[in-house]
Amino acid sequence: AQSVTQLGSHVSVSEGALVLLRCNYSSSVPPYLFWYVQYPNQGLQLLLKYTTGATLVKGINGFEAEFKKSETSFHLTKPSAHMSDAAEYFCAVSDDAGGTSYGKLTFGQGTILTVHP
Amino acid sequence: DSGVTQTPKHLITATGQRVTLRCSPRSGDLSVYWYQQSLDQGLQFLIQYYNGEERAKGNILERFSAQQFPDLHSELNLSSLELGDSALYFCASSARGTGNGYTFGSGTRLTVV
Repeated sequence: AQSVTQLGSHVSVSEGALVLLRCNYSSSVPPYLFWYVQYPNQGLQLLLKYTTGATLVKGINGFEAEFKKSETSFHLTKPSAHMSDAAEYFCAVSDDAGGTSYGKLTFGQGTILTVHP
Repeated sequence: DSGVTQTPKHLITATGQRVTLRCSPRSGDLSVYWYQQSLDQGLQFLIQYYNGEERAKGNILERFSAQQFPDLHSELNLSSLELGDSALYFCASSARGTGNGYTFGSGTRLTVV
């Protein structure tokens, strides 16, 4: 079974500082990996995804993530935090390598990012 | 607007009652997924439908049921409601599977009193 562990339920950074949100996964199939962001009182919005190919993937709002198979990790980074980045972030893994109509996403517990002025 | 429409946005009901949550997927998407989000359990997968057929079941209680209609909209029925059912219920859709991720609706906040 697939699972996701997000290290740190809360991360606090200063505006302009590096953002690093950690995600480790467990998967019995080649993983498809995703990061989502949730702003208060809203649904989840896709930030970026890794399916195959280049292991460094770029997403919206200046975020990127690197797939490291040897470490079973998919950490999310942003070089310089902005106040508008304050939200909850979820890492997710697919259980079907994305190729069928049977797959679902398993989400981590989420990391709340706070950005201080 | 993500293209996934959920109604109602808010619902307050009493214990023991039954409610129906509705989801219209993004145009062209055949898969619909239901998730429950609560503070203690996080995002829990409930059920998936693809083109009218149930495809996967997660941690869905027997008091809960769902279906997807020929026009692809889906309904989640929650019955014999308990205080612990209070949560955000999200619907998400995808064209087929998870290859491109999901598109989420804005959720229905259910409060059971």
